[in-house]
Amino acid sequence: QVQLQQSGPGLVKPSQTLSLTCAISGDSVSSNGAAWNWIRQSPSRGLEWLGRTYYRSNWYYDYAVSVKSRITINPDASKNQFSLQLNSVTPEDTAVYFCARDPEYALSIFDSWGQGTLVTVSS
Amino acid sequence: DIQMTQSPSSVSASVGDRVTITCRASQGISISLAWYQQKPGKAPNLLIYTASTLQTGVPSRFSGSGSGTDFTLTINSLQPEDFATYYCQQANSLPFTFGGGTKVEIK
Repeated sequence: QVQLQQSGPGLVKPSQTLSLTCAISGDSVSSNGAAWNWIRQSPSRGLEWLGRTYYRSNWYYDYAVSVKSRITINPDASKNQFSLQLNSVTPEDTAVYFCARDPEYALSIFDSWGQGTLVTVSS
Repeated sequence: DIQMTQSPSSVSASVGDRVTITCRASQGISISLAWYQQKPGKAPNLLIYTASTLQTGVPSRFSGSGSGTDFTLTINSLQPEDFATYYCQQANSLPFTFGGGTKVEIK
């Protein structure tokens, strides 16, 4: 059974960097089948897919255009985890952030989720 | 981006009722459609993918149908644990997008 455990601060100041980590058990971030995603949820924007990373002999990344200039997703195979960095945050980035697994790249669905982290952007 | 529109935004129903939720895509997505259930304070839970395939462990009272732009989630014989918010998600192309949600409330 796949489990995703999120960690990271719940409060970030405007203009600073939001950083979250998702630790994986029951699967591997280097799996040749899965993809590893970040999704956020807010009352104003609903559920919003932010980006993903996956390994197919090399690491690949896809990002939503809305955050593409500010986002980095980093896999860490040695720790079997992946992280989210979102730069230059504003109050509009206040949301619950989830990490999620897509079990099979071709399906593009999310079958395992982290517990969610409420991140508030405020001074 | 593909826009996903759900209706209704909320529905009141009783235990034992049949509930139908619809989801419309702004362009054709074949059968690349998933449904999720979310309860307050929890992450979404995958119910159905490829429009009609039931995720392992999901009760058979849940079913999905549709292709192209129009999709339906049906809950037969609503149970107390089914009161939640339901979301559709298109899995056809990046960026993956979700519907606005349908809240199933107790009548």
